[in-house]
Amino acid sequence: DTAVSQTPKYLVTQMGNDKSIKCEQNLGHDTMYWYKQDSKKFLKIMFSYNNKELIINETVPNRFSPKSPDKAHLNLHINSLELGDSAVYFCASNDRGGHTEAFFGQGTRLTVV
Amino acid sequence: AQSVSQHNHHVILSEAASLELGCNYSYGGTVNLFWYVQYPGQHLQLLLKYFSGDPLVKGIKGFEAEFIKSKFSFNLRKPSVQWSDTAEYFCAVRGGNNNDMRFGAGTRLTVKP
Repeated sequence: DTAVSQTPKYLVTQMGNDKSIKCEQNLGHDTMYWYKQDSKKFLKIMFSYNNKELIINETVPNRFSPKSPDKAHLNLHINSLELGDSAVYFCASNDRGGHTEAFFGQGTRLTVV
Repeated sequence: AQSVSQHNHHVILSEAASLELGCNYSYGGTVNLFWYVQYPGQHLQLLLKYFSGDPLVKGIKGFEAEFIKSKFSFNLRKPSVQWSDTAEYFCAVRGGNNNDMRFGAGTRLTVKP
């Protein structure tokens, strides 16, 4: 069974569209994250959700909105997509208070044309 | 501000050469330390982790890392690299008020056969 799964794996869309990326973890972790990896491979943390509460919201445009229906899911919704949003988005999870590493999904390669 | 620094952006080695990748962090207090590897086109996988105890940590595929608290460092080493080690390597630190996990900028390792 996949521990952290993201869908879709690839997403190609036009500027101005709204899209969502889904993430699910079956590890029982209480914290989930979204990271953005740009073309230079730099990993930037975007959001962190712990027990359905937003912990971190870095300097991310408000066009990006995380939605967590329960602690096993953290979806990423993006409004009015721009060319600069093209990147690979990774979902991850871990236990905030425990001694665990972060487990990563396979990534979603978003291309905005 | 809390940060993670990887000083080597791109390292090129020949097979059988020894490897050392630097990682420094600026967190205060207790931290957990990690090295992840990302093979081309794949997601991040854990190489090794340090929580407490022996500061010399053994990981998978012959990698090891040493935590030096006084230097705020967690350098990754491998005595003899292989072509298959060609990948992007990320140092990560978990700690701070939110206990979130943040990554360094990554080091691209190219091993020439």
